[in-house]
Amino acid sequence: SQQGEEDPQALSIQEGENATMNCSYKTSINNLQWYRQNSGRGLVHLILIRSNEREKHSGRLRVTLDTSKKSSSLLITASRAADTASYFCATAPLRAAGNKLTFGGGTRVLVKP
Amino acid sequence: DAGITQSPRHKVTETGTPVTLRCHQTENHRYMYWYRQDPGHGLRLIHYSYGVKDTDKGEVSDGYSVSRSKTEDFLLTLESATSSQTSVYFCAISDGQLNTIYFGEGSWLTVV
Repeated sequence: SQQGEEDPQALSIQEGENATMNCSYKTSINNLQWYRQNSGRGLVHLILIRSNEREKHSGRLRVTLDTSKKSSSLLITASRAADTASYFCATAPLRAAGNKLTFGGGTRVLVKP
Repeated sequence: DAGITQSPRHKVTETGTPVTLRCHQTENHRYMYWYRQDPGHGLRLIHYSYGVKDTDKGEVSDGYSVSRSKTEDFLLTLESATSSQTSVYFCAISDGQLNTIYFGEGSWLTVV
């Protein structure tokens, strides 16, 4: 079973608009990460937020984390066509052996020019 | 890009044949992983390694075995391929810092 579940599963927006996607998870975590996957490619790490952080920014990315609700959101501001990709949240559970991450099913984002 | 090379990148094989996918890294990272990605299931961990000759099962390990005889190489073997193993396989590596992992470009496997 997947630790993280993204919502929505798919998102279509116009260039310049903001894109928001959410991730819910089930167990206590060390940190939560977001990855991007372009079609036919491997996943690329975007941003990491630790369990004791509530918000983090990186360029046009803003991530929030609410550990009481076991949820996170990723906001992409002023979207560009190049942001078209699938976005995955991944959680690092507490006391997980092997430095493992558990991935959600992803949100497919289409940014229309 | 992280120094990860997967081979082969594409393969078509017949049911019942053995298949080995290779992952080679140039980063000297301790941890290596094999994931499979399927529509509707996201990425699922097959096996992982935390050092040379040290491996453990992930959530979907049945039908797969792995070996790591050198830090840089992690092999995934399907002893007798089945159609349910048609998938995209991703190798990933990590140095253990905050669980951040780096992915290869994937190997597309079709079992007919």
